[in-house]
Formats: sequence, C-alpha cells, structure tokens
Amino acid sequence: DVKVTQSSRYLVKRTGEKVFLECVQDMDHENMFWYRQDPGLGLRLIYFSYDVKMKEKGDIPEGYSVSREKKERFSLILESASTNQTSMYLCASTLKRGLGEQYFGPGTRLTVT
Amino acid sequence: GNSVTQMEGPVTLSEEAFLTINCTYTATGYPSLFWYVQYPGEGLQLLLKATKADDKGSNKGFEATYRKETTSFHLEKGSVQVSDSAVYFCALGGYTGGFKTIFGAGTRLFVKA
Repeated sequence: DVKVTQSSRYLVKRTGEKVFLECVQDMDHENMFWYRQDPGLGLRLIYFSYDVKMKEKGDIPEGYSVSREKKERFSLILESASTNQTSMYLCASTLKRGLGEQYFGPGTRLTVT
Repeated sequence: GNSVTQMEGPVTLSEEAFLTINCTYTATGYPSLFWYVQYPGEGLQLLLKATKADDKGSNKGFEATYRKETTSFHLEKGSVQVSDSAVYFCALGGYTGGFKTIFGAGTRLFVKA
C-alpha cells in the first residue's frame, strides 16, 4: 500500500514564526502536491512538484514556499505565519500527472495564533 | 476555466436510505472524474473513478456514471450505513486543466442509526 506521511497531525504556531510542514511518500512517485482544506472551499492547490528540485505554483501560492531535495520528500514552508493561514494542510502524491489516483496523507491541522 | 460543483451539505440520512450526491463539472476536452471520501481525522482516499463518457465507476456499493451530455458524475448508494458518514469530494483531472486535479467543495454526509 502507498503510504504518505506528514510530520505532525496538529501544530500551533505564533504569528510571524517560520513553519515547516514535511511530507514523505514511499511509492517512488514523481508527483507531489500541497493543498489546504477550508470549510466550504474544498481543496485548493498551493504548490506542486513533478520532479526533484522542481516546483510549480498552484492556485494560492502567496505566503508559502516549498522544497523538494529528495524524490520522496516534499516540504511546505510558511515564511512568516499569519492567522489567515490557519487551516488543514494535506499532502498528496501520484504516479501519473493528473490522470490517476492521488494518495493523501492524514493532514496537518495548523493553528496560527 | 475548469470547475466542479457539488451539492451543499450536510446531508443527513437514516441507515438503509438511498443516497445521491450531485456533481456537475465544466471542462474543455475529456477529463477523468473521481469521487474521494474523507473519514473523520483522515486524509482523502479514492472511492471510485471514470475515465471516459458512459463509464461507470463503482466501489463499496457506491456508483457514479460519467455523463458527458449533462456534464455530471452523481454519486449514488442504494443503502447507506452509519460507517458511510464522511465528507465526499467530486474531482476532475486529466489532460484538461494542465494535469491538475480540481476538487469540489465537499459534501458532508451524516447517517443515523
């Protein structure tokens, strides 16, 4: 079974802090994604990566950056956390770009106070 | 642009009732269509998919048919169980939309015993 793990299930940070969210997948997938999930808005794509050291902006990249130094690991960085970044963050990976199933991690619920 | 619209929730049903969750889409080209399910405290997991018009996806008693003429992919189940309580997401993927998967807002289902 594909496994996607995220470093934390719950995280509380203060405004202005730098926040790192880590995601690791064990199926040698080339494609990895970061979404945020908010009630009534569904999933919105923040960033994605189709290869090591490669990244592309999604629909809402402002205030975020990413890092993909190894194929299995995709990190989301909040350079200076703000209260409007309080959300559920979901990482996903897929073998085929946009064509097949996405495998999701359990999510990180981030609260910025 | 491409989009997915699904019925607002929450939907509350009694056990053994018939379930329909409506989903319609807007897309150029020939997208693949998906239903994902999110159980409490977990990430999303694929429930079923269809890759071309008139295909029927099915899994765990759930079904959905890809209707190109009505641009719809409604989710149905003949007899729901308490364990089906979850949030259901309709999604669109494939070559259209630059290989990104587009998710609907989600529909929460509560099933009462």
